[in-house]
Amino acid sequence: DAKTTQPTSMDCAEGRAANLPCNHSTISGNEYVYWYRQIHSQGPQYIIHGLKNNETNEMASLIITEDRKSSTLILPHATLRDTAVYYCIGLNAGGTSYGKLTFGQGTILTVHP
Amino acid sequence: NAGVTQTPKFQVLKTGQSMTLQCAQDMNHNSMYWYRQDPGMGLRLIYYSASEGTTDKGEVPNGYNVSRLNKREFSLRLESAAPSQTSVYFCASSGHGIYQETQYFGPGTRLLVL
Repeated sequence: DAKTTQPTSMDCAEGRAANLPCNHSTISGNEYVYWYRQIHSQGPQYIIHGLKNNETNEMASLIITEDRKSSTLILPHATLRDTAVYYCIGLNAGGTSYGKLTFGQGTILTVHP
Repeated sequence: NAGVTQTPKFQVLKTGQSMTLQCAQDMNHNSMYWYRQDPGMGLRLIYYSASEGTTDKGEVPNGYNVSRLNKREFSLRLESAAPSQTSVYFCASSGHGIYQETQYFGPGTRLLVL
């Protein structure tokens, strides 16, 4: 699975968009980009994933560059409850690393009032 | 629909004691996983079960055993607990519908080994 690189921490004002970057320059053609978050003391929560196209769901949007070497998770209107550690993960779905998520250090997002 | 449940929520053990962490899911998922998370670190995969009747080692399997009891339940056993196994343990499941790789996590079991 691709190694991902994320900033250690980011701040965001409540109500503003939070844009969390992720570099995955070694990602292969059949690897998905997954985003999870972990609110303090809770189990990780799935947010969104994508392969090539941009994706949007009720929680967030995922923008993947055309060369697939990086992506950005967008929380359009951040709230205090979005304060969490955000993990960007490359996953070779269905391959030999079937389902085995590799969690790095992630980005600590702090949303301020 | 409870999702993924784990018992117990908290446990304190003495070195050398044994215990089993229980996990159950009600989403009819094929795959289940056990992770551990040490303070300030990301999750690390201990064992996983791609389908009922199969189990495989993850990144940090030493000191643990698992049992996929049926499709719903996946237990993690510590035969002789060590202080290095003090951690938060998360169970997860995946494998239903379009997003078969999306994992859903339980609330965790906090284990302290003295």
